[in-house]
Amino acid sequence: EDKVVQSPLSLVVHEGDTVTLNCSYEVTNFRSLLWYKQEKKAPTFLFMLTSSGIEKKSGRLSSILDKKELFSILNITATQTGDSAVYLCAGRPRTSGSRLTFGEGTQLTVNP
Amino acid sequence: NAGVTQTPKFRILKIGQSMTLQCTQDMNHNYMYWYRQDPGMGLKLIYYSVGAGITDKGEVPNGYNVSRSTTEDFPLRLELAAPSQTSVYFCASSYVGGSNEKLFFGSGTQLSVL
Repeated sequence: EDKVVQSPLSLVVHEGDTVTLNCSYEVTNFRSLLWYKQEKKAPTFLFMLTSSGIEKKSGRLSSILDKKELFSILNITATQTGDSAVYLCAGRPRTSGSRLTFGEGTQLTVNP
Repeated sequence: NAGVTQTPKFRILKIGQSMTLQCTQDMNHNYMYWYRQDPGMGLKLIYYSVGAGITDKGEVPNGYNVSRSTTEDFPLRLELAAPSQTSVYFCASSYVGGSNEKLFFGSGTQLSVL
């Protein structure tokens, strides 16, 4: 059974801090890893990673995948209160209807 | 752009009642999914569909049924509601086969079974 584990489960920081969120995965016939941000409602897509060592970047957010060690990190620099959310990572296999297995999420709270 | 539309947004059911959660997408996506999210937890896959007329079970299918008669619509049916089905339900869709297979989510349905 595929498994995705995120850490920490919750994190409280001050505005301006840099945070690193972790995601380890065990996905049979791994295809890609996805990061989502979830505020009050539906998750919104952040990144999809398929290749090791290639950083994806969007503004203050960046993410990288290590397929040898089976993990990914999501970095947020110069955090803002608007970054407060649950961050979900999910692993996707090549088969099984492209089903994603989600981790429990990291609840990030950024205080002013 | 409507994207993925779910209705209703909120619903309270009594134990044993039935209901259907509606989901429709206008992006011509082939894959559609139903997830549930319990408080403080990640998303668990209930059912998914790879195209019209084809559905399959996910991780937690018991107590639910689905159908996919058209590409656009993927309703989720609860036949005999139980308190364990209290959760937030998300419908999602994606186009599998292209270069960017990210999921697009609906806004969710908060369901309480009392």
